[in-house]
Amino acid sequence: RKEVEQDPGPFNVPEGATVAFNCTYSNSASQSFFWYRQDCRKEPKLLMSVYSSGNEDGRFTAQLNRASQYISLLIRDSKLSDSATYLCVVVMGGFKTIFGAGTRLFVKA
Amino acid sequence: DVKVTQSSRYLVKRTGEKVFLECVQDMDHENMFWYRQDPGLGLRLIYFSYDVKMKEKGDIPEGYSVSREKKERFSLILESASTNQTSMYLCATIAGGYEQYFGPGTRLTVT
Repeated sequence: RKEVEQDPGPFNVPEGATVAFNCTYSNSASQSFFWYRQDCRKEPKLLMSVYSSGNEDGRFTAQLNRASQYISLLIRDSKLSDSATYLCVVVMGGFKTIFGAGTRLFVKA
Repeated sequence: DVKVTQSSRYLVKRTGEKVFLECVQDMDHENMFWYRQDPGLGLRLIYFSYDVKMKEKGDIPEGYSVSREKKERFSLILESASTNQTSMYLCATIAGGYEQYFGPGTRLTVT
């Protein structure tokens, strides 16, 4: 079993749709959690941190469920510019960082 | 804003050549990382450094070495490039909350 698993997609959604991604992790001792966005042929960029209490940044909402060991990302009112690959990232102790393979999102007009 | 730069965006080398990839960060961060990213495999850690002259092997160190002579600079060295080292190479530094910041990447092709 991979340490961090994501549905690779692709997710094809129309503009204005709501889309949700899930990610599961295997190590219950994991400490920090993030979502990154990666555009084609570019570097990953931090989208948002993920907390148990949930956090929201505009149209994006991230949630952590420690009991079930998964994190989620919800995108509301999708824009064409949201088309990208979304990476789930889990940090264990000592800076050990595991990146999911990514979920591809295509938002169509 | 954290700024991480890499010496080249695109590089083409021949099999057997020694290749140097350089990374510079301007945030005085102690920890720096080198990853490679391949389709379907995601990001894989090659080496990381937690201080000047200190380094640790990552998951796939074979065929690579690193150098950190100054805090802001972390170099990845391919001792004898091979075609299976054709990949996207990403350098990163880590901030206090464990979030990583990446350079723009070097797309290396070994022919």
